Amino acid sequence: GAVVSQHPSRVICKSGTSVKIECRSLDFQATTMFWYRQFPKQSLMLMATSNEGSKATYEQGVEKDKFLINHASLTLSTLTVTSAHPEDSSFYICSATRSGLANYGYTFGSGTRLTVV
Amino acid sequence: DAKTTQPTSMDCAEGRAANLPCNHSTISGNEYVYWYRQIHSQGPQYIIHGLKNNETNEMASLIITEDRKSSTLILPHATLRDTAVYYCIVRGGTNAGKSTFGDGTTLTVKP
Repeated sequence: GAVVSQHPSRVICKSGTSVKIECRSLDFQATTMFWYRQFPKQSLMLMATSNEGSKATYEQGVEKDKFLINHASLTLSTLTVTSAHPEDSSFYICSATRSGLANYGYTFGSGTRLTVV
Repeated sequence: DAKTTQPTSMDCAEGRAANLPCNHSTISGNEYVYWYRQIHSQGPQYIIHGLKNNETNEMASLIITEDRKSSTLILPHATLRDTAVYYCIVRGGTNAGKSTFGDGTTLTVKP
């Protein structure tokens, strides 16, 4: 149980275009989803937290107009990288939790490798 | 969220136990300790979590000190496939659900 599906696994896009990444909880209702970014040889950096039906909360330094997050249902959250540039190339990972309670684990997607050329 | 500190890297012989330490000296009473691992270019995989008591599952054991300021993840019989970056995270309280990842420990299991 607790499977999170993330698509696409890798994408190459041209500079200036937008890319949408989907994160789905397959067998549970994800009240909260998180989006992370990871650069090579670095740890995961939390970008934003999204709660179903409400606006995402972005971490300091993350541009909300550039990284659009939508969490319209309890099983789907999307991250759209708008007007992508080469410096946005990174590994993007989502995770989802069933509840805001600490004793619930949360599951990660398999990640999306974005390359902007 | 409490900050955690882990050694940058560790080696372990295949078949031997791997003991990965984590310090979380500022942990709050309602924060849990979680361990995840990440194999190259994949999403982190949940391993185990605990609050106060030691925990064991099919993957690993988690030993938490009585003062909860540190913990140790034990992989009882490490295999080459256990080579990964292991992250120790504390989570809970008012920021329940939000996790901050440190740099983790790169475990290399050698034949």
